[in-house]
Amino acid sequence: EPEVTQTPSHQVTQMGQEVILRCVPISNHLYFYWYRQILGQKVEFLVSFYNNEISEKSEIFDDQFSVERPDGSNFTLKIRSTKLEDSAMYFCASTGQGAWETQYFGPGTRLLVL
Amino acid sequence: AQSVSQHNHHVILSEAASLELGCNYSYGGTVNLFWYVQYPGQHLQLLLKYFSGDPLVKGIKGFEAEFIKSKFSFNLRKPSVQWSDTAEYFCAVNTPMNTGFQKLVFGTGTRLLVSP
Repeated sequence: EPEVTQTPSHQVTQMGQEVILRCVPISNHLYFYWYRQILGQKVEFLVSFYNNEISEKSEIFDDQFSVERPDGSNFTLKIRSTKLEDSAMYFCASTGQGAWETQYFGPGTRLLVL
Repeated sequence: AQSVSQHNHHVILSEAASLELGCNYSYGGTVNLFWYVQYPGQHLQLLLKYFSGDPLVKGIKGFEAEFIKSKFSFNLRKPSVQWSDTAEYFCAVNTPMNTGFQKLVFGTGTRLLVSP
């Protein structure tokens, strides 16, 4: 069964550094999402992406964040200058042909900012 | 704003006990409802979903959930749990955004520990 994959599984970085989290959505999916889960808190929506542009973003998704689909398979989340509070598990998700279909999640990247 | 409440943060059961995890949501319009499970060290997996039709939905691994519109609830049940059901369970609701696209709003999760 096709799966969403994410790399790396863990990333440790220094505050102020840039990080890029990578996701490979399910191949025929058209809608892509990033969520995050700070330790002990809810999974929160960050951004949705469709047709090579952001369709919606949350208030968390400020100018330090960006997303890109650099080729036909990867979907990346960049944090330009990491802060301590960016430490979280970041999940990528994708949905098929319809915007309201089930979202399938990747295994997550655990980001630790020191 | 749409919100999802899961009443039990931690549940401890013995094998063969019955399970019911509560989930309530706040949105009054048409909703799609989901239960996801996260086994230790693994990713979020879809357990079951409700889009329309029969309010009693069956998912994988013997789980089921009942959508009760009047109570804004979507409780998860399993008649007899196994040790392998130890995991964290998340209730989620599809919420429309201004652009017409969706996002998932999650509950805080319930950590289930099944003792052998």
